[in-house]
Amino acid sequence: SQQGEEDPQALSIQEGENATMNCSYKTSINNLQWYRQNSGRGLVHLILIRSNEREKHSGRLRVTLDTSKKSSSLLITASRAADTASYFCATDRYTGNQFYFGTGTSLTVIP
Amino acid sequence: KAGVTQTPRYLIKTRGQQVTLSCSPISGHRSVSWYQQTPGQGLQFLFEYFSETQRNKGNFPGRFSGRQFSNSRSEMNVSTLELGDSALYLCASSFLSGGSYNEQFFGPGTRLTVL
Repeated sequence: SQQGEEDPQALSIQEGENATMNCSYKTSINNLQWYRQNSGRGLVHLILIRSNEREKHSGRLRVTLDTSKKSSSLLITASRAADTASYFCATDRYTGNQFYFGTGTSLTVIP
Repeated sequence: KAGVTQTPRYLIKTRGQQVTLSCSPISGHRSVSWYQQTPGQGLQFLFEYFSETQRNKGNFPGRFSGRQFSNSRSEMNVSTLELGDSALYLCASSFLSGGSYNEQFFGPGTRLTVL
């Protein structure tokens, strides 16, 4: 079974707006990562946050992690049409390189 | 560096056949993981290989198997194909396995259709 669940499942915003998507997971983790997937293609790594970190920034991306609530959020600021994609969170445990992906949020940015 | 490559990109098979998919990781990466992606189940972990050894295995039947060669290239095999095996199969490589930083780099995937 999957480890994570993203919320919302789908999100539609206007270009320039901010997009926030959330991820919840079930067990203790080592790291949490966010990936982007464009239309059935391979996944692109966006950002990694470790279990002892609470917030991380990368360009227009901001990720937060709350291990007490077993949840993470991804904020994309000043969205662009090129940000249209599905976004997945993935968690790994301490026992190895086995990743559990959430169900994904489908983001549509309208020009 | 060249990215992760997967061959073939598209494949059509019939029920009962078997199929072999190939993945070449980024040079220097020793960990290769395989995932199955379907609309209904999402992305599911199949297995991970590190230095030619299977380190982790997901919850898939024995029809799904894999191996890794000394040059880190990996293959996965699915025998006795079923309609439900139709999916995008993604391969990912990373430098470490089980370490504290496991960014995975994904290939473009192989789209398998079982008729």
